[in-house]
Amino acid sequence: AQKVTQAQTEISVVEKEDVTLDCVYETRDTTYYLFWYKQPPSGELVFLIRRNSFDEQNEISGRYSWNFQKSTSSFNFTITASQVVDSAVYFCALSETSNFGNEKLTFGTGTRLTIIP
Amino acid sequence: DARVTQTPRHKVTEMGQEVTMRCQPILGHNTVFWYRQTMMQGLELLAYFRNRAPLDDSGMPKDRFSAEMPDATLATLKIQPSEPRDSAVYFCASGAGTGPFGYTFGSGTRLTVV
Repeated sequence: AQKVTQAQTEISVVEKEDVTLDCVYETRDTTYYLFWYKQPPSGELVFLIRRNSFDEQNEISGRYSWNFQKSTSSFNFTITASQVVDSAVYFCALSETSNFGNEKLTFGTGTRLTIIP
Repeated sequence: DARVTQTPRHKVTEMGQEVTMRCQPILGHNTVFWYRQTMMQGLELLAYFRNRAPLDDSGMPKDRFSAEMPDATLATLKIQPSEPRDSAVYFCASGAGTGPFGYTFGSGTRLTVV
């Protein structure tokens, strides 16, 4: 069965510090996709990134960067120079192959990130 | 920005009552999902549709839950009768094509059953 583990339940850092959110996944699929979503205090889920299993290149988008390592089944997320607006719950997710494709997402339990001003 | 619209945002109801949650997917998106978020279970997929046809509702308690898409602009999730354990945030999400893709989620309906 597919599984996503976010071992860090809560993290607090002081503004401007860098912070890394860990995500470890389990799957038997050879083709899969990994996602990160942000859930700010307002409650909506905001899509941040999607990576497929064949692309292990790290990605950077502004202050955000993602490190995908198949060898350790990890897809970690780093925020550089954190800001108060980064305070949110962050979810890692894995696509699940079904009879209809690979659209179903298995979510981790989330990491609550608090940025202290 | 295009948005997935969910109504109502909050609903408090008494046990045994029928609850209907509505979702307007983004125009042109042909795949619609219903997820439920609770503290205990996290985010769980309840059901999803493509081109208005249900593809998978294995995550949904069939005895009391039903999901439909009367037309391409409306998806509904009904609970009848509601129970306190149904209290959760229900999210609708939509996407285009056959995925997987970064679905767009609505703001959710926070349901409280007392």
